[in-house]
Amino acid sequence: DTAVSQTPKYLVTQMGNDKSIKCEQNLGHDTMYWYKQDSKKFLKIMFSYNNKELIINETVPNRFSPKSPDKAHLNLHINSLELGDSAVYFCASSQDAASGRVEQFFGPGTRLTVL
Amino acid sequence: DQQVKQNSPSLSVQEGRISILNCDYTNSMFDYFLWYKKYPAEGPTFLISISSIKDKNEDGRFTVFLNKSAKHLSLHIVPSQPGDSAVYFCAASINSGYALNFGKGTSLLVTP
Repeated sequence: DTAVSQTPKYLVTQMGNDKSIKCEQNLGHDTMYWYKQDSKKFLKIMFSYNNKELIINETVPNRFSPKSPDKAHLNLHINSLELGDSAVYFCASSQDAASGRVEQFFGPGTRLTVL
Repeated sequence: DQQVKQNSPSLSVQEGRISILNCDYTNSMFDYFLWYKKYPAEGPTFLISISSIKDKNEDGRFTVFLNKSAKHLSLHIVPSQPGDSAVYFCAASINSGYALNFGKGTSLLVTP
């Protein structure tokens, strides 16, 4: 059983397009995250949601909008794609702060290439 | 500003020997530290963690040591196996349920 899944795994698109990446977790976790791994392989937090509410929003352009329809899903929508958006995007989930469990479980990643 | 640093981009070790991966951090507010392993085209996989109230945590072949005064932690893998070849990321967090701050990773190659 896949714990954290993302679709699609690869996404190639033109500049200016709008695209979405979907993420689902079946671990029963309350908190979900989006991370971006850039060309220098540096993994950086973008957003964090707890029970469908946004709790972290790092300095990310407004073109990126996370959407959480329910606790098990956190989708990432990107408007007006730019060349610099090319990266690997990872979804992750964890139990909430009250659990005391700190580890996050990551999806397989979505490699986005903007041409 | 990078708060978690892994200064060795790569490490090569012979099978059966000890692998030692190092990590430094700058933020004294970090309370939890984690190590992740990553294979190409896959997501990071959690290996082991340690809270700031401990100085050592062991799980099978993996041991993490924390030196709070030096703001330094290390991951020891004994004995190293070829299947351990991967990129290892050090990460730190202020609390559970919070974002992880990652280092840039160290690529470990274990040779037969």
